[in-house]
Amino acid sequence: AQSVTQLDSQVPVFEEAPVELRCNYSSSVSVYLFWYVQYPNQGLQLLLKYLSGSTLVESINGFEAEFNKSQTSFHLRKPSVHISDTAEYFCAVSDNAGGTSYGKLTFGQGTILTVHP
Amino acid sequence: KAGVTQTPRYLIKTRGQQVTLSCSPISGHRSVSWYQQTPGQGLQFLFEYFSETQRNKGNFPGRFSGRQFSNSRSEMNVSTLELGDSALYLCASSYYGTTREKLFFGSGTQLSVL
Repeated sequence: AQSVTQLDSQVPVFEEAPVELRCNYSSSVSVYLFWYVQYPNQGLQLLLKYLSGSTLVESINGFEAEFNKSQTSFHLRKPSVHISDTAEYFCAVSDNAGGTSYGKLTFGQGTILTVHP
Repeated sequence: KAGVTQTPRYLIKTRGQQVTLSCSPISGHRSVSWYQQTPGQGLQFLFEYFSETQRNKGNFPGRFSGRQFSNSRSEMNVSTLELGDSALYLCASSYYGTTREKLFFGSGTQLSVL
């Protein structure tokens, strides 16, 4: 079984400040890791993912996340946020053990990031 | 390329009724997954279909069912609705449904059960 814990339900921050959204996971098998973002009244969009290789992954809009296997974490960071980054962010894991977990992601409870001017 | 389309956008039903939700995946995508999103339970996996076959299923009662058609469009059905079924139902598509693939989500169907 897998589980994902997002340690902060809400993170308020001022524009141009740095931000970190924390994510820890638990799994009995190897996993792939994802961050999805949900804007109001919209579905989820992939922000970035870790499959293998370099433990630091980046998105096109300045976010980055680092896979830490020893701490089972995949925290999301951005050095300078914008008003448009206001959204709910979900950390998710999927099975990397070659099993039959087709289409299944296990999500955390989400972190609402609010960027204030 | 058109995105994942879910219809209807909003639904209001009463307890005991049944409901059918529709999802059209991105052209070329053969895998469709369904998720339930609620404030209390968050996002939970319902099931996944590929080439008209259900390959994976989450921990939901048998009142929740689905199917997929030959054009990859999918429907999910909830029978004997309960108040607790009120949720945003999201579908997502991908080419093969493997666990390393990016999922493309629709905007969801907001179901309210009165």
